[in-house]
Formats: sequence, C-alpha cells, structure tokens
Amino acid sequence: DAGITQSPRHKVTETGTPVTLRCHQTENHRYMYWYRQDPGHGLRLIHYSYGVKDTDKGEVSDGYSVSRSKTEDFLLTLESATSSQTSVYFCAIGLGLNEQFFGPGTRLTVL
Amino acid sequence: RKEVEQDPGPFNVPEGATVAFNCTYSNSASQSFFWYRQDCRKEPKLLMSVYSSGNEDGRFTAQLNRASQYISLLIRDSKLSDSATYLCVVNIGNSGYALNFGKGTSLLVTP
Repeated sequence: DAGITQSPRHKVTETGTPVTLRCHQTENHRYMYWYRQDPGHGLRLIHYSYGVKDTDKGEVSDGYSVSRSKTEDFLLTLESATSSQTSVYFCAIGLGLNEQFFGPGTRLTVL
Repeated sequence: RKEVEQDPGPFNVPEGATVAFNCTYSNSASQSFFWYRQDCRKEPKLLMSVYSSGNEDGRFTAQLNRASQYISLLIRDSKLSDSATYLCVVNIGNSGYALNFGKGTSLLVTP
C-alpha cells in the first residue's frame, strides 16, 4: 500500500469553527490532492498541490484553503465549517497521468 | 454535464455470473483511464488502468473506445468478494492531473 495517512480519521465539530485535516505521504510524490465524496456526487476535487507552496483550486474550493510547506504534508482547512461541508474527505497522491493512491479518508460531521 | 457518466446500478448478480459496466466521458482530450474499486466506507483503490488496445487482468477485462468516448469493464465468474462500488475514472490532464470520477456503479454478488 502507498504510504499515505490522514488525520484525524473522524471528527465532529460545530458550525463556524475552523477545522484542519492533515494528509501525510512517505512516497515523495510531487502531486497531492484533496477530494470530497458525497452521496449522489462521486468524488470532487477541492484543491491540489504540484509542489511545496504550489497549490491551486479545484471544482469545489469555496470555503476551503490548503497549505503545503513540506513535500510530505498537505493540509486542508475549513475556515468556518458549515453543515454543507459534512462529507468524507480523501487525500490522494499521484504522478502525472498515472494512477493516484488514496488515503483512508476523514469523516467530518459539522453540526 | 458531468464529465464521466456511469449507470449507478445496483447490479445484483449470482456468483459465477458475468457482469458488464459501462461508462462514457465527455472530454475528447481525456488522456488516461482507470477503473477503481471502492468498498463500503473505504478509500478507492485502483482496479486496473484501461488502454486503447483493451487489457485483461484475470477475471477482469477493460475496454476503451476513444472514438465513442466509452469505457467498459467486464467481470467474469463473479465472486462474493467482488461486491463493491466500481468507479470509472478519467484523467483529462488539467488541474494538476486531477482525476474525474463517475458516481460509481454498485455491484452485489449473491450466493
């Protein structure tokens, strides 16, 4: 299995609070991604990174920010959590047009 | 219009049956193609890449028709352990090589 972990694995928080999810890889991949998965939507791209300090927005980036200060870590922050951000969040690592490998996911509930 | 469309199912089949999943994609510039498998409450995992010449891995056969923008997955001699959701995935090559996912097709193999 690819060396990719996510923390926390589960989180319950309240509306309006900031939340940070962490993705950590040991594979030294340049590209890292955050997706969210919701019933009826499949996986959708939130943000991605193509190197340290190099990030860009995906399809559903509103309300989220990211940071990548080291190759191995990619952080996703919900600046002020809303109930619509209740979801399962997956981090992935990839290498160009090749397949991507996914972390185990974080289940976030915003009350 | 969704980039990747697939029949959500569910497909309920008996053990030993052959089952086929279809998928269409809208962007003719799509460059790489995959089938991922996702078990309940788990991360997506690569099942197989899909090549224009078609490719086979044991009981699984994948086909790609670029002219029709159509991808298929055939599972022969279904096993109980094949029960999962199968995700059709396309890489257009933009957004940092982020993946575009279909919503998934649910398969249940019964004894």
